[in-house]
Amino acid sequence: QVQLVESGGGLVKPGGSLRLSCAASGFTFSDYYMSWIRQAPGKGLEAISYSSTSGNIKYYADYVKGRFTISRDNAKNTLSLQMNSLRVEDTAVYYCARAAGIVGASPHWFDPWGQGTLVTVSS
Amino acid sequence: QSALTQPASVSGSPGQSITISCTGTSSDVGGYNYVSWYQQHPGKAPKVMIYDVNNRPSGVSNRFSGSKSGNTASLTISGLQAEDEADYYCSSYARSTSLHVIFGGGTKLTVL
Repeated sequence: QVQLVESGGGLVKPGGSLRLSCAASGFTFSDYYMSWIRQAPGKGLEAISYSSTSGNIKYYADYVKGRFTISRDNAKNTLSLQMNSLRVEDTAVYYCARAAGIVGASPHWFDPWGQGTLVTVSS
Repeated sequence: QSALTQPASVSGSPGQSITISCTGTSSDVGGYNYVSWYQQHPGKAPKVMIYDVNNRPSGVSNRFSGSKSGNTASLTISGLQAEDEADYYCSSYARSTSLHVIFGGGTKLTVL
């Protein structure tokens, strides 16, 4: 079955770095745009980045631009998110999600989602 | 750009119907038929219930339906069941945002 499994979360100090991974299975990974969406504790959802099928198109939310880098390895069915210069406000559960609907070159709905990985930024 | 506006909470009794609203602008909800709804149980990942305003993915109960009028989209759950108690989030294509997608703040549904 279609499955997304995130890993790499943990506790990091402000200014530190972390790399998240998302292992995909059960579908042809290279056929789909992929996204990272996060949810701060007790808060709503916010999309932070997505990658086109080949990885040549990458978009970022303004508040992570320049600090986060999305990448994918279609040979290994893996999506990654390199997070640098982390801030307290980056504390959240980070979800990997497959883009199920595309408008132009932009995902607008997501299915399925992984179980998430918690990133805590604290001194 | 601000999140889409949803009521913080709604409630209903088993068997009843409830509707959750999602209000945006002409630049998002009102401008496109690309509204989706997600259900999230505590500690779980979101699950899509409706996409493109009123389409249900395979496997989603037909008790869930979506609609849109102007800048407001709605999710209706009929024949409310205990397992419907969850948080619900709407989202919309939003051309003017950096990622072209915007989410609502979420609504907590309580089944009395």
